[in-house]
Amino acid sequence: AQKVTQAQTEISVVEKEDVTLDCVYETRDTTYYLFWYKQPPSGELVFLIRRNSFDEQNEISGRYSWNFQKSTSSFNFTITASQVVDSAVYFCALSEGDTGFQKLVFGTGTRLLVSP
Amino acid sequence: DVKVTQSSRYLVKRTGEKVFLECVQDMDHENMFWYRQDPGLGLRLIYFSYDVKMKEKGDIPEGYSVSREKKERFSLILESASTNQTSMYLCASSLAGGQIDTQYFGPGTRLTVL
Repeated sequence: AQKVTQAQTEISVVEKEDVTLDCVYETRDTTYYLFWYKQPPSGELVFLIRRNSFDEQNEISGRYSWNFQKSTSSFNFTITASQVVDSAVYFCALSEGDTGFQKLVFGTGTRLLVSP
Repeated sequence: DVKVTQSSRYLVKRTGEKVFLECVQDMDHENMFWYRQDPGLGLRLIYFSYDVKMKEKGDIPEGYSVSREKKERFSLILESASTNQTSMYLCASSLAGGQIDTQYFGPGTRLTVL
């Protein structure tokens, strides 16, 4: 069965610090997709990134970067030089298979608090 | 940009009432989903739909039903609301039924059942 673990319930940092949010997943499939979403205080989940299981290249988008390691079943998310606007709950999610319906399994989320 | 809207941001209902939560997407997506979000539990899938008039149970369908009469609209129905259904409800949609694709979410409806 699929499972996503976000062991960090809450992280507090001061602005400009770097922070890494951990995500560990379990799946028996060889084809799967991993996602990160951001949920600001307004409540809407904002899509950040999707990565398929065959692409282990790390990705960087501005201050955001993602490190995908199949060997440790991890898909960690790093924010460099954090800002107050980064304060949100971040969810990691997993979807299995290359066909069929896209049932996402979410982790329980990590609340990031960035103080000025 | 994908736009998913939900009829209410906040809703207060009484135990036993019938509750309708509406979700509309404007990107011609085939798939639509209803989740509930509770502290410490993340998001859990209630129902999803891959086509008009089609529906599938998710992980926690008990106490809920859904309706999809038009492609752009997906309604979640609480036939007789109970206090344990107090939660945040999130709707999502995605393109291309039968393939893995990104789900886009609405702003959520925070439902309180008294």
